[in-house]
Amino acid sequence: SQTIHQWPATLVQPVGSPLSLECTVEGTSNPNLYWYRQAAGRGLQLLFYSVGIGQISSEVPQNLSASRPQDRQFILSSKKLLLSDSGFYLCAWSGTISYNEQFFGPGTRLTVL
Amino acid sequence: KNQVEQSPQSLIILEGKNCTLQCNYTVSPFSNLRWYKQDTGRGPVSLTIMTFSENTKSNGRYTATLDADTKQSSLHITASQLSDSASYICVVSPLTGNQFYFGTGTSLTVIP
Repeated sequence: SQTIHQWPATLVQPVGSPLSLECTVEGTSNPNLYWYRQAAGRGLQLLFYSVGIGQISSEVPQNLSASRPQDRQFILSSKKLLLSDSGFYLCAWSGTISYNEQFFGPGTRLTVL
Repeated sequence: KNQVEQSPQSLIILEGKNCTLQCNYTVSPFSNLRWYKQDTGRGPVSLTIMTFSENTKSNGRYTATLDADTKQSSLHITASQLSDSASYICVVSPLTGNQFYFGTGTSLTVIP
């Protein structure tokens, strides 16, 4: 069966510090991968998605970046965090046709102080 | 513009009562619509999926309906339980592309 992991579960970082959130998927190959951010009381905002190794599409211009160094690994990064980067970050994967369901990871709660 | 709107934004009901959540969308061309349940601090989990040809689908106490002509869907929860307290998110997939369109969710609170 497929599983998706995210770490860390929670993170408190000072403004201006770097960020690296990691997501890995098991039990499937060549998944589509997604990073979402969810601000408190708000809906999910798509940040990045990837259809293959090294292929990243950015949906919202900001100080975040994403990379996909391996087929089932998706990394969200920042060189300098802003207060506005605080939120709940979710990684998800789906199959390669739109009929497929998105499976979400457990999320990372990021607080920037 | 592809959009998904949900109502109400929040809802409080007594345990044992029924409720209905609404989802309107403009996503085209339409492929499928999913309802997700998101517990606080957790990732969303799929409840039901509706395709163009389906009008009603049930998953236990959850029943989803779809009217593809009016581009509306509803999620009906029967005999609510405290554990139903969560955010319910409507997600629509188009026929082409790799994106999913999310509603902002309905926050449901079930009180004893």
